[in-house]
Amino acid sequence: SAVISQKPSRDICQRGTSLTIQCQVDSQVTMMFWYRQQPGQSLTLIATANQGSEATYESGFVIDKFPISRPNLTFSTLTVSNMSPEDSSIYLCSVESAGGAGVGNEQFFGPGTRLTVL
Amino acid sequence: QKEVEQNSGPLSVPEGAIASLNCTYSDRGSQSFFWYRQYSGKSPELIMFIYSNGDKEDGRFTAQLNKASQYVSLLIRDSQPSDSATYLCAVSGYSSASKIIFGSGTRLSIRP
Repeated sequence: SAVISQKPSRDICQRGTSLTIQCQVDSQVTMMFWYRQQPGQSLTLIATANQGSEATYESGFVIDKFPISRPNLTFSTLTVSNMSPEDSSIYLCSVESAGGAGVGNEQFFGPGTRLTVL
Repeated sequence: QKEVEQNSGPLSVPEGAIASLNCTYSDRGSQSFFWYRQYSGKSPELIMFIYSNGDKEDGRFTAQLNKASQYVSLLIRDSQPSDSATYLCAVSGYSSASKIIFGSGTRLSIRP
């Protein structure tokens, strides 16, 4: 499986500021995904990021709040804009493995970014 | 109705016994099924995936899929204290083979 790193691993931010989270993969991948996991909850998909095209956002998530960049096949960023305490969460990037069964490729997760907004 | 349902637990199992984790899903067109293990404060780790009806075994883990009943389970044999974690069931959505829907997870506790 791919080796995925995220920066920062954690941060404490003030209300109204923005934070950019980086996700780096050690191999080229077509699709990268950004998830949020709020305390005690399961994972919620924020958006899918493909290289060379606009990210596709899930219901309830908008580009103005969560702008995403995907400049190449090994890197993506997620920005959490104009933060409020409700944005306190773990943010995870994931990548899809290559060479799966071809029906639904499994995903592997980075270590996550733990964000606390005061 | 939730798309992927799991009992939140906690499920307490004695060390050495079989732990059985269950999951149901609502989309009959789902094609891929995954089990992730998540330790507290860590990211999810893929431990099993299954695409066809029946059983799939990998070491102490067995995934079971019954598409007719829309049911998938994970059995952990010879449970160890290190198996104590939250187990997330995940199902690929019908609209895209790559979009995965996660259940809320089952907390498993292995007691010595």
